[in-house]
Amino acid sequence: KQEVTQIPAALSVPEGENLVLNCSFTDSAIYNLQWFRQDPGKGLTSLLLIQSSQREQTSGRLNASLDKSSGRSTLYIAASQPGDSATYLCAVKRRSSASKIIFGSGTRLSIRP
Amino acid sequence: GAGVSQTPSNKVTEKGKYVELRCDPISGHTALYWYRQSLGQGPEFLIYFQGTGAADDSGLPNDRFFAVRPEGSVSTLKIQRTERGDSAVYLCASSADRALNTGELFFGEGSRLTVL
Repeated sequence: KQEVTQIPAALSVPEGENLVLNCSFTDSAIYNLQWFRQDPGKGLTSLLLIQSSQREQTSGRLNASLDKSSGRSTLYIAASQPGDSATYLCAVKRRSSASKIIFGSGTRLSIRP
Repeated sequence: GAGVSQTPSNKVTEKGKYVELRCDPISGHTALYWYRQSLGQGPEFLIYFQGTGAADDSGLPNDRFFAVRPEGSVSTLKIQRTERGDSAVYLCASSADRALNTGELFFGEGSRLTVL
């Protein structure tokens, strides 16, 4: 059974700092891993998707890495801004023909001006 | 439509009532997922459709919950005899056929259900 864990549950840092969010999963047989952002009262917005054959993906100030062997992914945010404040969720899709996608419980990020 | 659409955005009902929540996925997306999210938690998987059929319904909490997707597009999540514990945001997501695409998931804004 796939389990996805995100630590820490909450993080507060001053504006301008670089930061890393962590995601770990128990079953390394994955199809892909996706990072999402969720603002209060809103749906989820896709940030980055990493296929199982990839090691990282980059979009602007965001970089996501994947290490299947250790069951870990990190989301790196460079030069953080107050607008980055949100909850960040990772989700893992197993490598099977019809598989559900399992989410972690998220990291609530607050960037202090 | 351009994105995943969910209706209603808010639903308040009384304990014991029947509720339907609708999801209209991105046009052409064959995979459709329903999730339930409680405050401060990550989305909890309910059911996954590939086309018209439920490929995995292992997340449905009990037989009061049922979902359909009769034509492989719009899906309806049905909750019978609602209980206060059913109060949550119900999220729908869609994805293109995984053989043709990356499997990226796109979410709607959710339907907030409150059972009084």
